Amino acid sequence: DAEITQSPRHKITETGRQVTLACHQTWNHNNMFWYRQDLGHGLRLIHYSYGVQDTNKGEVSDGYSVSRSNTEDLPLTLESAASSQTSVYFCASRLGNTGELFFGEGSRLTVL
Amino acid sequence: AQTVTQSQPEMSVQEAETVTLSCTYDTSESDYYLFWYKQPPSRQMILVIRQEAYKQQNATENRFSVNFQKAAKSFSLKISDSQLGDAAMYFCAYLGGYGGSQGNLIFGKGTKLSVKP
Repeated sequence: DAEITQSPRHKITETGRQVTLACHQTWNHNNMFWYRQDLGHGLRLIHYSYGVQDTNKGEVSDGYSVSRSNTEDLPLTLESAASSQTSVYFCASRLGNTGELFFGEGSRLTVL
Repeated sequence: AQTVTQSQPEMSVQEAETVTLSCTYDTSESDYYLFWYKQPPSRQMILVIRQEAYKQQNATENRFSVNFQKAAKSFSLKISDSQLGDAAMYFCAYLGGYGGSQGNLIFGKGTKLSVKP
């Protein structure tokens, strides 16, 4: 079955370290997204991509970057992790602009 | 910019009874989509129901139905015959039509639903 997977599911890191969260989908979806979920804020968009070599900033993009070298993957990088980036991160994908959004299982990141 | 508001941070319902979760949104677009997502303790985001704004008929999915009031910009979720497995965080979300709002889902802050046995 097609799916979307995130790794790692849990990570603890230190302030200032670079961290990369992986996202891989096997649906061949063009659109991919990264959200962060924090208590009291719901889900907020970090970055998104509408296809290979396309990346765009979302609502809370500062301190994060993404790259899209193929259809299947959209890794999220925290260049220098900060305690404010402690959160649960969700990757999601969608075939077109108005279809259902499919989510990964989330990655819990703790920055100490 | 579009916004989504869920005014009930927490709700509680007795098993087998009915509960309604509220959602309002603000937009200047005429064509858009609205969603309710469920997030159980497993953290998985699950699509519950979807409504196209151009459809006057309210969407239903088994025990889940919506009351879509376009003029009032209201999109409430009704859960009938509540079950213990319905306990979860519920998120209302907005998507602009034809790639509006940059084709991105805008989420409310969520309502935590508890189901009492």
